[in-house]
Amino acid sequence: QQQVKQSPQSLIVQKGGISIINCAYENTAFDYFPWYQQFPGKGPALLIAIRPDVSEKKEGRFTISFNKSAKQFSLHIMDSQPGDSATYFCAASRSTGAGNQFYFGTGTSLTVIP
Amino acid sequence: NAGVTQTPKFQVLKTGQSMTLQCAQDMNHNSMYWYRQDPGMGLRLIYYSASEGTTDKGEVPNGYNVSRLNKREFSLRLESAAPSQTSVYFCASSEALARRTYEQYFGPGTRLTVT
Repeated sequence: QQQVKQSPQSLIVQKGGISIINCAYENTAFDYFPWYQQFPGKGPALLIAIRPDVSEKKEGRFTISFNKSAKQFSLHIMDSQPGDSATYFCAASRSTGAGNQFYFGTGTSLTVIP
Repeated sequence: NAGVTQTPKFQVLKTGQSMTLQCAQDMNHNSMYWYRQDPGMGLRLIYYSASEGTTDKGEVPNGYNVSRLNKREFSLRLESAAPSQTSVYFCASSEALARRTYEQYFGPGTRLTVT
């Protein structure tokens, strides 16, 4: 059972447009929600993250919107650039007595057309 | 500062063979993780180690064993490889930051094919 559901599977956006990727979760014990960016042949790299005590976090062109009551969060990429073309993963983490477990969405392949 | 390193980068095994994937981090992180990445499935946690001397199962532990050799190294062993274990394997490490946030650093991955 997928703990974190991510959509869409793929996304094509014109340069300068807004890219939006959505994720949903069920487990209310999750307390940390990161987004990762992955280029072909590389490992994922942390892009931006949020905790459930805030509804929005912005870093440069990247914004996370978080809706605790709906158990949903999304990544917005403003002024999308061809260099943003990559696969994006949302994730959710919960603290356990033995550390943190991370659960990932299935990924969104973003293509930004020049 | 190399971050997280993994060896080998590529491996082809025959069904039933065994092998160990190696991972090391030089960031003095307490927590380390092994994931597998399959098309359309995202990353799935195989095992993790919250600290030296401890290991715990993740979502998909069957067919794998791990060893946290010391704080730096965390290895993943396939005792009897199966075609279903064909995947890209990523090791990661993390440390708690301020306000209980965590940044996971990933290695470059090992691409494993089992024939």
